[in-house]
Amino acid sequence: QVQLQESGPGLVKPSQTLSLTCTVSGGSISSSNYFWSWIRQPAGKGLEWIGRIYTNDNTNYNPSLKSRVTISLDTSRNQFSLNLSSVTAADTAVYFCAREKTMTGSPYYFDYWGRGTLVTVSS
Amino acid sequence: DIVMTQSPDSLAVSLGERATISCKSSQNILYSSNNKNYLAWYQQKLGQPPKLLIYWASTRESGVPDRFSGSGSGTDFTLTITSLQVEDVAVYYCQQYYTTPRTFGQGTRVEIK
Repeated sequence: QVQLQESGPGLVKPSQTLSLTCTVSGGSISSSNYFWSWIRQPAGKGLEWIGRIYTNDNTNYNPSLKSRVTISLDTSRNQFSLNLSSVTAADTAVYFCAREKTMTGSPYYFDYWGRGTLVTVSS
Repeated sequence: DIVMTQSPDSLAVSLGERATISCKSSQNILYSSNNKNYLAWYQQKLGQPPKLLIYWASTRESGVPDRFSGSGSGTDFTLTITSLQVEDVAVYYCQQYYTTPRTFGQGTRVEIK
């Protein structure tokens, strides 16, 4: 059974960089069958896709966040990470990592999610 | 970006009755080469991550009860819960995976009347 677990600071100061890690267990992050995504959800609001990474280090980002986002892969630890720079209060949200199922190399729907971690941006 | 719009924002249904949620995409998400609609539905219970219910607009994920069904094509889609149970109280989201950025509907809250 695949499990994803987010970790990182729950509080980040404005203008600093938010850094989170997702640890994947029960499956290899190097598999060609999946992309690995970050998605966030402000309290009481909807879901916003941040971006994703593939086993070949290919990344795609939401244009609304692209200038501030970096997603990276650590295959030796079976983890992938999110860095979001220059954060403001608007970046306060629950951050989820998720697995995006692929077929023939094209990513599709999110079949497994982490439980999420709340990150608050405040001084 | 493809905008996904759900209706209603919330609905209250009696136990055992039908719940119907609509999702409309701002552009066609039917891929003509394989005749598949690139749409998924998720269920999110309070304090939990979203759970995949349906993909390809109408294919139930393994383990999802058959009272959940998806239909529609092109730009108009529906999630139906045929006999609402207590455990179905949640917020439901549609999501398109036709293109990036991936986008979700704003969510529909389903409650017991």
